[in-house]
Amino acid sequence: GENVEQHPSTLSVQEGDSAVIKCTYSDSASNYFPWYKQELGKRPQLIIDIRSNVGEKKDQRIAVTLNKTAKHFSLHITETQPEDSAVYFCAASKRAALIFGKGTTLSVSS
Amino acid sequence: SAVISQKPSRDICQRGTSLTIQCQVDSQVTMMFWYRQQPGQSLTLIATANQGSEATYESGFVIDKFPISRPNLTFSTLTVSNMSPEDSSIYLCSVELGTVNTEAFFGQGTRLTVV
Repeated sequence: GENVEQHPSTLSVQEGDSAVIKCTYSDSASNYFPWYKQELGKRPQLIIDIRSNVGEKKDQRIAVTLNKTAKHFSLHITETQPEDSAVYFCAASKRAALIFGKGTTLSVSS
Repeated sequence: SAVISQKPSRDICQRGTSLTIQCQVDSQVTMMFWYRQQPGQSLTLIATANQGSEATYESGFVIDKFPISRPNLTFSTLTVSNMSPEDSSIYLCSVELGTVNTEAFFGQGTRLTVV
């Protein structure tokens, strides 16, 4: 089955810096790659996603890149703000059920 | 978007007992999913609940321990049976609207503590 590896497990940045989180997946048939943000005690919320026919997608300060050949995808957050502090999960899917990475705890200090 | 209601939001249960978690969605969905999130960890898929057929379980999860019902297109239950402290976790239901590979929405979760 699918296996998703996520790095780093923790990331600390200064406000205004950029943050990058990387994931690799094992199943070449996976074709959907969402990123979720989970704040403490809350449910995961989708922040951006990308499908296998696209190499990059951007939404304001957030972007995701996908390299299908290498089977990895990355989340880029620019101009980080304290409210970006949360746990971020990448996931991969080919038939709807999501397989999640282990998560990255992002801390943005002001 | 989808509005998902999970009940109960939290419970403390004695070991050896069972707890049934309910998940209600405000629209009809083909597939519903159940995840477990142990403290400080990621989400692990337990099973996919399809209306009109048996649930599909992931490796490491079995029907006897986590029986699932899906009586219609808006409702599902997950039972955690014969609980032990290792079952203490947050259990979340999730749905996707429309076709596959679209945004997954999550319920608020059920925080289970087994003592």
